[in-house]
Amino acid sequence: GEEVAQTPKHLVRGEGQKAKLYCAPIKGHSYVFWYQQVLKNEFKFLISFQNENVFDETGMPKERFSAKCLPNSPCSLEIQATKLEDSAVYFCASSPTGGNYGYTFGSGTRLTVV
Amino acid sequence: QKEVEQNSGPLSVPEGAIASLNCTYSDRGSQSFFWYRQYSGKSPELIMFIYSNGDKEDGRFTAQLNKASQYVSLLIRDSQPSDSATYLCAVRTQGGSEKLVFGKGTKLTVNP
Repeated sequence: GEEVAQTPKHLVRGEGQKAKLYCAPIKGHSYVFWYQQVLKNEFKFLISFQNENVFDETGMPKERFSAKCLPNSPCSLEIQATKLEDSAVYFCASSPTGGNYGYTFGSGTRLTVV
Repeated sequence: QKEVEQNSGPLSVPEGAIASLNCTYSDRGSQSFFWYRQYSGKSPELIMFIYSNGDKEDGRFTAQLNKASQYVSLLIRDSQPSDSATYLCAVRTQGGSEKLVFGKGTKLTVNP
C-alpha cells in the first residue's frame, strides 16, 4: 500500500505487562525506522532496519525493548515489562532509500502505561 | 549541546504574514535537512528537504540552508490558519546511519 500502517492506534497496559506494536511499511520501501515521541514533541530514535536486518539499534533500551522485521510480516516493536515512562506515541516510518529523501511516517501507536 | 536545536515558540503571526522558523545543528558533516509539519495528534508530514547551500522554493514554502553557519530555516509566505502546527527540523547526520535527528519543534499559530 501507499501508507505506513501502524496497529493498534491505542494501547493501554498495566505496569509490568508486555506491549507489542506493529508496522507495515509502504510496499517497496526497504528501510523501516521506529521513533518514540514523548512530551509532545521530543522524537527519540529507537531502531532501524534494512529489509529484515537491523541497521542501527543505537537508540534501543536493550533490556526491555526488542524489534523485528521478518519477510512477509509486519515489523514489530515489543516492550517487555512496561514502565510508566514508556508511555509515548511510537511512530514507525519507512523509506525506499534510507534517510536521503526523508521518510514517510505512520499514524503512530499511543501507548499508555498505567 | 543538543544535535538539532529549534526555538520552541510558540510563534504567532497574523494571517497573510511571513512566518520564519529557524534551526541550528551541531554536526558539521550533516548532509540532508528536512522540515516536517505535525498537526496536533497527527503524524509528521514531510514538507521540504534541502541538501545544498542557498534557497529552495516550493509554493509558499522556502527552505534556506547555510552550512557554514550550520543553520537551516523555513519561510512560509502568505501564512494561513491551516499552517498552524508544530514544525520539526530534522537532520541526516554523517556516519552511515540513515536516521534523522529531530529538533523539538516550533509551534506556529497563524491568527485569522
